[in-house]
Amino acid sequence: SQKIEQNSEALNIQEGKTATLTCNYTNYSPAYLQWYRQDPGRGPVFLLLIRENEKEKRKERLKVTFDTTLKQSLFHITASQPADSATYLCALRVIYNQGGKLIFGQGTELSVKP
Amino acid sequence: EPEVTQTPSHQVTQMGQEVILRCVPISNHLYFYWYRQILGQKVEFLVSFYNNEISEKSEIFDDQFSVERPDGSNFTLKIRSTKLEDSAMYFCASSDGQGNQKLFFGSGTQLSVL
Repeated sequence: SQKIEQNSEALNIQEGKTATLTCNYTNYSPAYLQWYRQDPGRGPVFLLLIRENEKEKRKERLKVTFDTTLKQSLFHITASQPADSATYLCALRVIYNQGGKLIFGQGTELSVKP
Repeated sequence: EPEVTQTPSHQVTQMGQEVILRCVPISNHLYFYWYRQILGQKVEFLVSFYNNEISEKSEIFDDQFSVERPDGSNFTLKIRSTKLEDSAMYFCASSDGQGNQKLFFGSGTQLSVL
C-alpha cells in the first residue's frame, strides 16, 4: 500500500540549533515533493518544493533534500527560532490528470525552546 | 498577497442536516481543492476541480458530497446529510496550475456535527 511517513513524535530542540525532519514514502513515484508549515487551527502554508531530478533546495534558513532511491526527503531548519515552532507537513504530488492531488503525511510537530 | 477566503469559520449543525461550505479561491487560479482534517489527524484529500468539473476525488468523497463553482469567484462544498464523523476542519485550496503546483490554503471551516 502507499504510505507517507513522518516522525510521529514531536521534535524538541534548543533555539539556534538545526532541526531535521524526515519524510519517507513507499509505493509512490512522485514528480515532486513539497513541504508545508501548519500552525494550530490554520491551513497549511507552502514552504518549499523539490523535483525528482533535484537533490537539494534551499530557501533562507530552510533546506530540503530528496533521495528518490531511498524514497526519503529531509527538511532542515538552521539557526532555529521559537517562531519556527509549528507542525511541518510533507506532501507528494500524484499526477493522474489535470490538477492531480497532493497527498500529505501526518506531520511532525516542532517545538523550539528559547 | 492574495489569499483564499473561507466562510464561515465555524459551522455547527445537527446530524442529518445539509451544510454548504464556501470558498473564494485566488482570482487567477484554475485548480481548486477541498481537504479535510479531523482533529489530531492528517490533512486528507477530498476532491480536485478543474475546468468546471471534478478531476479527482477520494473514497471519502461519496454521494453525500458535491462541489460547485456557481459563478466566477466562489467554490462550494455541500454535504447533503451530515454525519457525526463529518466533524472536521475543512480546507479549501487553489493553485495556478503552472509549474510547481503549490497550493494556497484558506484558514478553514471548523464543522461540528451534533
